[in-house]
Amino acid sequence: GAVVSQHPSWVICKSGTSVKIECRSLDFQATTMFWYRQFPKQSLMLMATSNEGSKATYEQGVEKDKFLINHASLTLSTLTVTSAHPEDSSFYICSALSGTSVSNEQFFGPGTRLTVL
Amino acid sequence: AQSVTQPDIHITVSEGASLELRCNYSYGATPYLFWYVQSPGQGLQLLLKYFSGDTLVQGIKGFEAEFKRSQSSFNLRKPSVHWSDAAEYFCAVGPNQAGTALIFGKGTTLSVSS
Repeated sequence: GAVVSQHPSWVICKSGTSVKIECRSLDFQATTMFWYRQFPKQSLMLMATSNEGSKATYEQGVEKDKFLINHASLTLSTLTVTSAHPEDSSFYICSALSGTSVSNEQFFGPGTRLTVL
Repeated sequence: AQSVTQPDIHITVSEGASLELRCNYSYGATPYLFWYVQSPGQGLQLLLKYFSGDTLVQGIKGFEAEFKRSQSSFNLRKPSVHWSDAAEYFCAVGPNQAGTALIFGKGTTLSVSS
């Protein structure tokens, strides 16, 4: 159990276009999902916290108008990179927190590799 | 400030030798502690976690970690490393509060030599 999927697993797009990344909890309801960004050879940096039915909370320095997050259901959160630029190229990873979890264990998706040309 | 330090950026261990990856944290209260492993281009796999109780935690793939409150450490160990263990290892901490994100260390790259 506790499987989180991401789609697509990799995407290449042209500069100026928008890209949507989906994060789904397959066998549990996720009241909270997190979006992380990972640059090559670096750690995961939290971008935003997404709660179902409410606006996402963004970390300092993350542009909310550029990285649009929607958590419309208990099993799906989406991250849309708008007007993507080469510096947005990165590995994006989501994690999901079970609504029934009494601990802070998060379940991570496999990540999405975004390359902006 | 809350932080996680993994002092070793890169470690090389001979296959069959023992392994210890260091993790130190700075936190105001007793945190939840995690170790994750990441293979190239892949997501994170949870190796083990500590919430409370026995300070020696057993995980998957033969890994264990020991929580030492006095040293603010949560070092990962394995008695005999296999070539397939070569990967990136991340230590992470989270507050004793559901719904909050984890703080990750910068990771340690493990190489295994034959």
